[in-house]
Amino acid sequence: DADVTQTPRNRITKTGKRIMLECSQTKGHDRMYWYRQDPGLGLRLIYYSFDVKDINKGEISDGYSVSRQAQAKFSLSLESAIPNQTALYFCATSDGDRAYEQYFGPGTRLTVT
Amino acid sequence: ELKVEQNPLFLSMQEGKNYTIYCNYSTTSDRLYWYRQDPGKSLESLFVLLSNGAVKQEGRLMASLDTKARLSTLHITAAVHDLSATYFCAVTGGTSYGKLTFGQGTILTVHP
Repeated sequence: DADVTQTPRNRITKTGKRIMLECSQTKGHDRMYWYRQDPGLGLRLIYYSFDVKDINKGEISDGYSVSRQAQAKFSLSLESAIPNQTALYFCATSDGDRAYEQYFGPGTRLTVT
Repeated sequence: ELKVEQNPLFLSMQEGKNYTIYCNYSTTSDRLYWYRQDPGKSLESLFVLLSNGAVKQEGRLMASLDTKARLSTLHITAAVHDLSATYFCAVTGGTSYGKLTFGQGTILTVHP
């Protein structure tokens, strides 16, 4: 089984709908991250969490919220989806004691119509 | 604010040729990462460079880091089709400790 999983893998939703993307990890890492990827822009950090009680905004947090339900689970919500939130979303984890590498989930392709 | 720039953004190569991808970053950093992404797939870690002068090699890829110049290079030797992918560099350090700032990515296509 994959160490970092994301659900759903693909989602099409309409403008104004609320949607939640979920991330789970079995790596035992304390740090988790949400990124979005747009063509030509690389990956941009939305939110990150260094432990269950620590939530921080990233570069592009407007329009998004997160919840760290447990060490292994980190969810990203779009309260009212808009078309320019159409993108590929990645969850990642890292070990705070080593903080060397981030390990990425398979991604969620979200389309807002 | 930490900024990371890669060049070129698009690279079309013939098999057997050599080329270098450059990654410049704007402020002091203590770690630099290279990732590979195949179309529609996730990111795969290639190299982690932790200190000035660090050099790492894996197969036809070699990465180096010059922290004084704030520059990392990813050198491709005798390219093969299987290396076709998008390559990202990412940097952490300073006020961005624990967070990665990514370059735009270099789309590499290797032709027969």
